[in-house]
Amino acid sequence: KQEVTQIPAALSVPEGENLVLNCSFTDSAIYNLQWFRQDPGKGLTSLLLIQSSQREQTSGRLNASLDKSSGRSTLYIAASQPGDSATYLCAVRVGGATNKLIFGTGTLLAVQP
Amino acid sequence: NAGVMQNPRHLVRRRGQEARLRCSPMKGHSHVYWYRQLPEEGLKFMVYLQKENIIDESGMPKERFSAEFPKEGPSILRIQQVVRGDSAAYFCASSPPTGGDGYTFGSGTRLTVV
Repeated sequence: KQEVTQIPAALSVPEGENLVLNCSFTDSAIYNLQWFRQDPGKGLTSLLLIQSSQREQTSGRLNASLDKSSGRSTLYIAASQPGDSATYLCAVRVGGATNKLIFGTGTLLAVQP
Repeated sequence: NAGVMQNPRHLVRRRGQEARLRCSPMKGHSHVYWYRQLPEEGLKFMVYLQKENIIDESGMPKERFSAEFPKEGPSILRIQQVVRGDSAAYFCASSPPTGGDGYTFGSGTRLTVV
């Protein structure tokens, strides 16, 4: 059974700091991995999608890596800003016909001005 | 492209009533998924549907919950005889047939049972 874990559960950093969020999954047979952002009381915004054959994806100040064999992904945020404050979720798409995403419990990020 | 549209955004129901949540997928997306986010918990898969077919409902409670995605119109998640424990945010996502482009989520419906 696929399980997704995110560490740390919460993180508070001063503005301008670079930071890394971690995601681990127990079954390496994934189709892809997606990082989302969720603001309080809001929906999910997709940040980065990494296919199982890829090692990393970049978008602006965000960089996500994937090491499928070790069951790990990291989300790197450069030069953090108060507007980055949100909950960050990683989700793996399991293979086969089911097509579903398995979510981690998220990392609550607070960037202090 | 209006994205994934969910309505209503907020829904209040008394215990015992029925709740109907609607989801219109993105244009060109034929796969719909429903997820539930209980307070202080992560998102949990409920059901995966294609037009007129339920593909995987392994995350749906066995009683009171049902979902459909008719040939025409939005996908509907129906909760009969709601209880306080059903209070949660219900999110719908859609994807193209291959899923290769990832999932797009709607803004969710926040159900409160009083």
